[in-house]
Amino acid sequence: DAGITQSPRHKVTETGTPVTLRCHQTENHRYMYWYRQDPGHGLRLIHYSYGVKDTDKGEVSDGYSVSRSKTEDFLLTLESATSSQTSVYFCAISDAPQGSSGANVLTFGAGSRLTVL
Amino acid sequence: GEDVEQSLFLSVREGDSSVINCTYTDSSSTYLYWYKQEPGAGLQLLTYIFSNMDMKQDQRLTVLLNKKDKHLSLRIADTQTGDSAIYFCAERGPPTGGGNKLTFGTGTQLKVEL
Repeated sequence: DAGITQSPRHKVTETGTPVTLRCHQTENHRYMYWYRQDPGHGLRLIHYSYGVKDTDKGEVSDGYSVSRSKTEDFLLTLESATSSQTSVYFCAISDAPQGSSGANVLTFGAGSRLTVL
Repeated sequence: GEDVEQSLFLSVREGDSSVINCTYTDSSSTYLYWYKQEPGAGLQLLTYIFSNMDMKQDQRLTVLLNKKDKHLSLRIADTQTGDSAIYFCAERGPPTGGGNKLTFGTGTQLKVEL
């Protein structure tokens, strides 16, 4: 998957516990994204990062936080997991220069399946 | 906000053509994309089209864009069983400081029958 690794790939946890998903890239791309995939909703953007320590919210950010302390790692944290956060989480990267008008495609990781009981 | 709609399922026979449709609402979309997701895997880019084009062909794939109607389609010629997957349409708005944020459709599950 073009140098993107997500961990863990599968996790089962209980309501109220904290969960951290990790996305690691070896492409040195500036932009990183977390999406969640749910039936009937497609992919929805949770948070994204446009550089080290620079992050912003997506359309479904409530209940999630992110951190990016170095270029290669983007962490997604669920402070207190709820059953509604059961989903498949995808990390994506792109090297789009700021304000670029090019196609700048996203490259996706293999996904992390999270089940909250 | 932006909205991207797709039908949920499509079933075709092997060797036939498949046409997957997508509609979007953002009139300022600059690029539109088709991604493919095989079971248990992430999304892979199939092709994309710039908004000032109305057609793009890439081997068995043909993308048609009707910007006036905000309608995008993906035609797969000579569909094979290996084409069975979920196909996502996505659109990108004008360039922003946030990089390449895409809005995805709900995905169309393509089933290819023998």
